[in-house]
Amino acid sequence: DQQVKQNSPSLSVQEGRISILNCDYTNSMFDYFLWYKKYPAEGPTFLISISSIKDKNEDGRFTVFLNKSAKHLSLHIVPSQPGDSAVYFCAARGAAGANSKLTFGKGITLSVRP
Amino acid sequence: EADIYQTPRYLVIGTGKKITLECSQTMGHDKMYWYQQDPGMELHLIHYSYGVNSTEKGDLSSESTVSRIRTEHFPLTLESARPSHTSQYLCASSAGGNIQYFGAGTRLSVL
Repeated sequence: DQQVKQNSPSLSVQEGRISILNCDYTNSMFDYFLWYKKYPAEGPTFLISISSIKDKNEDGRFTVFLNKSAKHLSLHIVPSQPGDSAVYFCAARGAAGANSKLTFGKGITLSVRP
Repeated sequence: EADIYQTPRYLVIGTGKKITLECSQTMGHDKMYWYQQDPGMELHLIHYSYGVNSTEKGDLSSESTVSRIRTEHFPLTLESARPSHTSQYLCASSAGGNIQYFGAGTRLSVL
């Protein structure tokens, strides 16, 4: 049973426009969420995170929004750049403290067209 | 920036061979992890360690084994490789917080 779902496998946007990547989760015990970016033949790179006590976290062009009641989070990239083209993974941590493991979604492939 | 290294980056090997995938980190992180990932799929945790001489199996059953004799080193071993082991193997470490830092991965092909 997949607890972190990224239902759209791919997204294509024009350079300069906004990219919105969505993620849904089913486990209400998740209390910390992360986004990772992965280029082909490389490992995932941490991008941005959010605690469940917040509803928004911003870092430069990247903003993550969390809607706990809907068990939904989204990553906004504004403006999108061709170098943002990659696979984006949503991950969630359970509420058992710092020793909790991460549960990952299947990823979304973002393509930013010049 | 995280300093975690995996070797080899690519490995093509025949069925039945024993292989060891290396993972080392220079950050002094206590926690280390091994994930398996196939294209278009999520990362599946196969092993983790919270410190020296501590290893646990992850959520995805794996025929591989791991050891943690030194803080910085977390190798993964397959005693007898099979085609079903073909995948990408990703190693990660964390300092006890929520963020895990990943190596570049090893892409394994078993013929």
